[in-house]
Amino acid sequence: GDSVTQMEGPVTLSEEAFLTINCTYTATGYPSLFWYVQYPGEGLQLLLKATKADDKGSNKGFEATYRKETTSFHLEKGSVQVSDSAVYFCALSESGGGADGLTFGKGTHLIIQP
Amino acid sequence: DAGVIQSPRHEVTEMGQEVTLRCKPISGHNSLFWYRQTMMRGLELLIYFNNNVPIDDSGMPEDRFSAKMPNASFSTLKIQPSEPRDSAVYFCASSFQADGVETQYFGPGTRLLVL
Repeated sequence: GDSVTQMEGPVTLSEEAFLTINCTYTATGYPSLFWYVQYPGEGLQLLLKATKADDKGSNKGFEATYRKETTSFHLEKGSVQVSDSAVYFCALSESGGGADGLTFGKGTHLIIQP
Repeated sequence: DAGVIQSPRHEVTEMGQEVTLRCKPISGHNSLFWYRQTMMRGLELLIYFNNNVPIDDSGMPEDRFSAKMPNASFSTLKIQPSEPRDSAVYFCASSFQADGVETQYFGPGTRLLVL
């Protein structure tokens, strides 16, 4: 079946550092890929998405590129802020975005120190 | 828009009791999903509905769990009888399609503790 693997953390960085959170996937078809963010006590919020190979999703300074050859969708940000502290989830959907549910990674807890 | 609404936000109950979680999806969304989040297993899809019809309930742990969607604006997830291992955060999400991609929007979750 489908699966998503991401670094578990916690990942601790200083403010303005460069961020990379790795995500790789296995899927039988040609999935759409997503990053969600969860702030303490809240639900998940969609951060960005990509639906085909070489697509780059971006939002709020975060970027991720759909790499079919390496089955990866790594999340990056050039300069993190304390407000970016949260749990980040990589996810995939075989159907093109969620009409059949998402398969999530375990989540990566990111801590940004001032 | 108010987003996906879930109630209650917190629930503490004793083993053996019935628990009902409620969800109001975003108006106009035609798919609804129930997820469970635990430290050990992460986020798991329990069941999802398209146009109020259950499509896949293979993620429902056992017969103690049931879900209904009587209309487009309301869904329930029921656990009867509840057990301590059911303690988790339960999320409801709804989705719509744009540019050929369905995007899911999550509610704030219900934190369930079964003693």
